[in-house]
Amino acid sequence: DTGVSQDPRHKITKRGQNVTFRCDPISEHNRLYWYRQTLGQGPEFLTYFQNEAQLEKSRLLSDRFSAERPKGSFSTLEIQRTEQGDSAMYLCASRRDTTYEQYFGPGTRLTVT
Amino acid sequence: GDSVTQMEGPVTLSEEAFLTINCTYTATGYPSLFWYVQYPGEGLQLLLKATKADDKGSNKGFEATYRKETTSFHLEKGSVQVSDSAVYFCALPMNTGFQKLVFGTGTRLLVSP
Repeated sequence: DTGVSQDPRHKITKRGQNVTFRCDPISEHNRLYWYRQTLGQGPEFLTYFQNEAQLEKSRLLSDRFSAERPKGSFSTLEIQRTEQGDSAMYLCASRRDTTYEQYFGPGTRLTVT
Repeated sequence: GDSVTQMEGPVTLSEEAFLTINCTYTATGYPSLFWYVQYPGEGLQLLLKATKADDKGSNKGFEATYRKETTSFHLEKGSVQVSDSAVYFCALPMNTGFQKLVFGTGTRLLVSP
């Protein structure tokens, strides 16, 4: 396994700007999850894809957030009109159909100034 | 709903001391249980897992036993090293909602030489 990769690792943006993050899951993993982690807390679920279908979204995912997984491979998470409260680590994870453990990428740390 | 409770940190130990980090859970059914470790500035790494009652997960000298009677999954290590300093998260996949992971708040471990 080459592991889950995320890009960029760090992003600093001004309030009101749009940002987009990318996640490349482990190649044979159909299931992909996005989480958000704020300082001193555990990750919180944002959204879930099975292949290219987005099957669940958390209430945390306001209408400024959108996620896609075209062709069921990589995924993108876009935040429009960023706010300071969006500052967090955004984590992507993937797993196989047959087991429950998820494998995480290194995360993208977003700072909104 | 499903939830995980971990002991508060930080846990401060000297090198070669014995480590216990407590984790209890509330869940419907008997989910798999996981410990993840997060080093500074990085994503989460799966440390160990147990898939059914009385299973013992182990990895890198760490162990945890799935105790159905006490709904616990405590993490232990006989002799910690400075390199074990990190944040440790207990987690379980929810029985509903496509098995998204529910995490505890994390326990920071600080090991001094």
